[in-house]
Amino acid sequence: QSVLTQPPSASGTPGQRVTISCSGSSSNIGSNTVNWYQQLPGTAPKLLIYSINQRPSGVPDRFSGSKSGTSASLAISGLQSEDEADYYCAAWDDTLNAPGWVFGGGTKVTVL
Amino acid sequence: QVQLQESGPGLVKPSETLSLTCTVSGSSISSYYWSWIRQPPGKGLEWIGYIYYSGTTNYNRSLRSRVTISLDTSKNQFSLKLRSVTAADTAVYYCAREVAYWGQGTLVTVSS
Repeated sequence: QSVLTQPPSASGTPGQRVTISCSGSSSNIGSNTVNWYQQLPGTAPKLLIYSINQRPSGVPDRFSGSKSGTSASLAISGLQSEDEADYYCAAWDDTLNAPGWVFGGGTKVTVL
Repeated sequence: QVQLQESGPGLVKPSETLSLTCTVSGSSISSYYWSWIRQPPGKGLEWIGYIYYSGTTNYNRSLRSRVTISLDTSKNQFSLKLRSVTAADTAVYYCAREVAYWGQGTLVTVSS
């Protein structure tokens, strides 16, 4: 059971916009920044978005992040076949006596 | 370009200690904090803990009683020890600089 809640799957056709949600609480998303990771099959997760909506160098601007209250979202605009992967959200959790990073369970994006 | 490489035994017996080392290149270990994260086969990500360059550590509460993370600045490496392992500890183990740059991961299987 992951601390952050993501839908297990999402899909779209090439060129469509796909949005993935990540729901948390006041101790994590509600008060801290959010990262998003892309994990292609058989590879390590790669940082896709940090600090809610910042893209590391080399990440296409088709990927964007946002946050509202205790939820965050990742949007993929102009979906491409190479975007087929698992996506994870992460946030720092300020829970008393147990602070640390928490992750969502992951969302598998399928390009139809 | 920061690069991290995990190394250690791929098979550990139940009740024994899992030991992994992460070798860092392209970045001094005397800055930032350094993390371990794991992913059971077919499942999501779990943060294990981190160590600051100062030596300060922070561990996932669920693993705290069994985990030790340490630094070796002379070798630009940091290490993970997880004691009293069970089959539930079977996972791909990743080392990371903070939670941004990740190694390729190493599969550790707990089995007799």
